[in-house]
Amino acid sequence: KAGVTQTPRYLIKTRGQQVTLSCSPISGHRSVSWYQQTPGQGLQFLFEYFSETQRNKGNFPGRFSGRQFSNSRSEMNVSTLELGDSALYLCASRLTEDSNQPQHFGDGTRLSIL
Amino acid sequence: SQKIEQNSEALNIQEGKTATLTCNYTNYSPAYLQWYRQDPGRGPVFLLLIRENEKEKRKERLKVTFDTTLKQSLFHITASQPADSATYLCALDPSGGGADGLTFGKGTHLIIQP
Repeated sequence: KAGVTQTPRYLIKTRGQQVTLSCSPISGHRSVSWYQQTPGQGLQFLFEYFSETQRNKGNFPGRFSGRQFSNSRSEMNVSTLELGDSALYLCASRLTEDSNQPQHFGDGTRLSIL
Repeated sequence: SQKIEQNSEALNIQEGKTATLTCNYTNYSPAYLQWYRQDPGRGPVFLLLIRENEKEKRKERLKVTFDTTLKQSLFHITASQPADSATYLCALDPSGGGADGLTFGKGTHLIIQP
């Protein structure tokens, strides 16, 4: 079974631009979560989608948004990029929204803002 | 405020010895706690989940304990090997329902010396 796939793996953008990251969950998994990882803050929850609905959102500004499609694939978008948005963005999937289930992570998209 | 704390400094252990990593939390009452392993440039990989009514959980050379009175989880790797070198993250569900994603500690960097 293929794991969680994130594209692209690396991305370089400049301040003020916008970016869209993509995530394909494990086949059959309906929950997709996004996390931001930085050396200073560690892993921080961005949002989770289940059955195309956002369940909740972490403490991030409105520039961060996402969506989920009917095939469970998900995208996240960051608008008006800032230098502080440089991070590893990780997507994770699980079978349902039950928090008792482990998260299966992709290898992330490394976003660098110049 | 709510906090999850792991040894922020690297932990150096000689091959063959038992490595013990600590995860302390405050102002949470998690129903369970999870442990993940992360290698450089990769996403976290789920290792073990322990519930609040379980004192100990084992998987091959791994053992996790959960003390809800001390608000602490210990993660042990017995007969450690250089291949066990990685960053280990503990995580819990702050809301109990999974809607707020997982809250992660910043991880402990474990180095197994041959």
